[in-house]
Amino acid sequence: DTGVSQDPRHKITKRGQNVTFRCDPISEHNRLYWYRQTLGQGPEFLTYFQNEAQLEKSRLLSDRFSAERPKGSFSTLEIQRTEQGDSAMYLCASSPRGGGAEQYFGPGTRLTVT
Amino acid sequence: GENVEQHPSTLSVQEGDSAVIKCTYSDSASNYFPWYKQELGKRPQLIIDIRSNVGEKKDQRIAVTLNKTAKHFSLHITETQPEDSAVYFCAAEDDKIIFGKGTRLHILP
Repeated sequence: DTGVSQDPRHKITKRGQNVTFRCDPISEHNRLYWYRQTLGQGPEFLTYFQNEAQLEKSRLLSDRFSAERPKGSFSTLEIQRTEQGDSAMYLCASSPRGGGAEQYFGPGTRLTVT
Repeated sequence: GENVEQHPSTLSVQEGDSAVIKCTYSDSASNYFPWYKQELGKRPQLIIDIRSNVGEKKDQRIAVTLNKTAKHFSLHITETQPEDSAVYFCAAEDDKIIFGKGTRLHILP
């Protein structure tokens, strides 16, 4: 499968625990984006990378969230000290470039914080 | 930053009729406007897009229009079919994509 993949697909965790998600973009795609989607809402931008450089983080992203793309290929999104409000679908997308290139979404990681 | 408003939030149309979804954006620097379709439990998928140097684009039963002066753009689906039932998102990009809140489209038999 040459599409965007995400792991795990589902994660249930207790409040206060840390979680880490992984995204593998389409090979050779320079741009990688993270979004959060809650029920009945559109994907909400969190952060994005150009190769290994993190270019922007949403003001909505608290200090408990961190993302990396160490070698410009896969990316990880970590949430520390999870809260119930973090429950959502976390979507990753990649594109070959910025400036109007189609973004290809992964299947998402559904996080449930109990 | 960019803000995208989308209307209506829910739309029901009779099979075979047309559906229109409208969006406005705030950042005049945005120059790329994609539309995504998301079926229940699935990832968003691009169905059509338009760039700021074009006023209209059509792909079979789907068309988009863009009015840069007014900062609004619309999706038109003609001859709707049951498989068109889904949530549709408009979006605007100025280096990163900002999505609208979505329109749930129901096609009635």
